[in-house]
Amino acid sequence: EAGVVQSPRYKIIEKKQPVAFWCNPISGHNTLYWYRQNLGQGPELLIRYENEEAVDDSQLPKDRFSAERLKGVDSTLKIQPAELGDSAVYLCASSQGARTDYGYTFGSGTRLTVV
Amino acid sequence: AQSVTQLGSHVSVSEGALVLLRCNYSSSVPPYLFWYVQYPNQGLQLLLKYTTGATLVKGINGFEAEFKKSETSFHLTKPSAHMSDAAEYFCAVSETGGFKTIFGAGTRLFVKA
Repeated sequence: EAGVVQSPRYKIIEKKQPVAFWCNPISGHNTLYWYRQNLGQGPELLIRYENEEAVDDSQLPKDRFSAERLKGVDSTLKIQPAELGDSAVYLCASSQGARTDYGYTFGSGTRLTVV
Repeated sequence: AQSVTQLGSHVSVSEGALVLLRCNYSSSVPPYLFWYVQYPNQGLQLLLKYTTGATLVKGINGFEAEFKKSETSFHLTKPSAHMSDAAEYFCAVSETGGFKTIFGAGTRLFVKA
């Protein structure tokens, strides 16, 4: 079984430029998460999807961040424009169900460097 | 509100020695508790979880953790460290039946030959 696939693995952009990250969850996992992991810290939730619906985006900085999950499968996270403070690893995770006791399967992440 | 505190950002042990990674949580309701492991340049992998039932939970790769409500702790142990255990370990908490997981800052485990 393929795991959660993310691309690109690394991205270096200049500040004020746009950037997008892509995630393909495990087949059949209806719940999808985007997390941000700053250096030396644990992951922090940005947005949670149930199928194609964003059910928790309270931590997503909506002035510059957007996300979509068309057809309830793949998802894209976008930043426009990027700021220096956005440098981090962006992790996608999926789960069999919405409740946390299912546990999450994470992708390898996209390491973003904004210069 | 829930929170997780991992004591020690770095832990170093010799190969074959006991591994003990400490985690304390704060939760106003019964928690679910998790340990995840992150190897270099990889995503997090679920190591073990406590939801209900037995308070001593066994996970993959010989790790186990014990939920101690009176101490609000969920420490991770392994009797004998292996070089391949070198990684970053994250403790996490959520509410029973909840939808949001809060992660600790992580503890990096070093294993010396």
